[in-house]
Amino acid sequence: SQQGEEDPQALSIQEGENATMNCSYKTSINNLQWYRQNSGRGLVHLILIRSNEREKHSGRLRVTLDTSKKSSSLLITASRAADTASYFCATSNSGGSNYKLTFGKGTLLTVNP
Amino acid sequence: DAGITQSPRHKVTETGTPVTLRCHQTENHRYMYWYRQDPGHGLRLIHYSYGVKDTDKGEVSDGYSVSRSKTEDFLLTLESATSSQTSVYFCAITSGTGSRAEADTQYFGPGTRLTVL
Repeated sequence: SQQGEEDPQALSIQEGENATMNCSYKTSINNLQWYRQNSGRGLVHLILIRSNEREKHSGRLRVTLDTSKKSSSLLITASRAADTASYFCATSNSGGSNYKLTFGKGTLLTVNP
Repeated sequence: DAGITQSPRHKVTETGTPVTLRCHQTENHRYMYWYRQDPGHGLRLIHYSYGVKDTDKGEVSDGYSVSRSKTEDFLLTLESATSSQTSVYFCAITSGTGSRAEADTQYFGPGTRLTVL
């Protein structure tokens, strides 16, 4: 069953605006990762945040993690048309089998030029 | 892209026929995974391997088997394909060499689109 649940399912914004996607999960985690998938392609890793971290940055990406609320958010600043893609969160669950990720269903982001 | 290829990239087959999908990596990574991606379900793990001849089931393993006789190749077999197995199949790899016992970054292949008529 899915561990992560992204919200919203779809998001449409204008170029230059910021995009925020959220992920909620149910069980304790070791880390949480965000991936991007362009249409018809495989997933590409964006960023990994560990359970003892609260915030990480990578370029225009900012990820936060709140383990007390079992939630994470991905912020993309100054969005571009090339950011149009589906975004997935994935959790590495503590206590489970090592090296497995559980993916959410994704948020489809459309950035309009 | 990480050195991962999948073959075939597209396949159309008929119900009841066996199908084998191949994942090949050039990264010498220990862990390999097969996922399926369907609308409304995201990615779901079918099987994974943690070494040569070492495999385990994921959450949707019924109707699928896997084999890994070499580090670089991970095969997914649909023993008797059904229409419910129409999907896009992704292979992924991870090194698993980190000191922490937790899932690390996974690198994905380009996918195989399988249609079962």
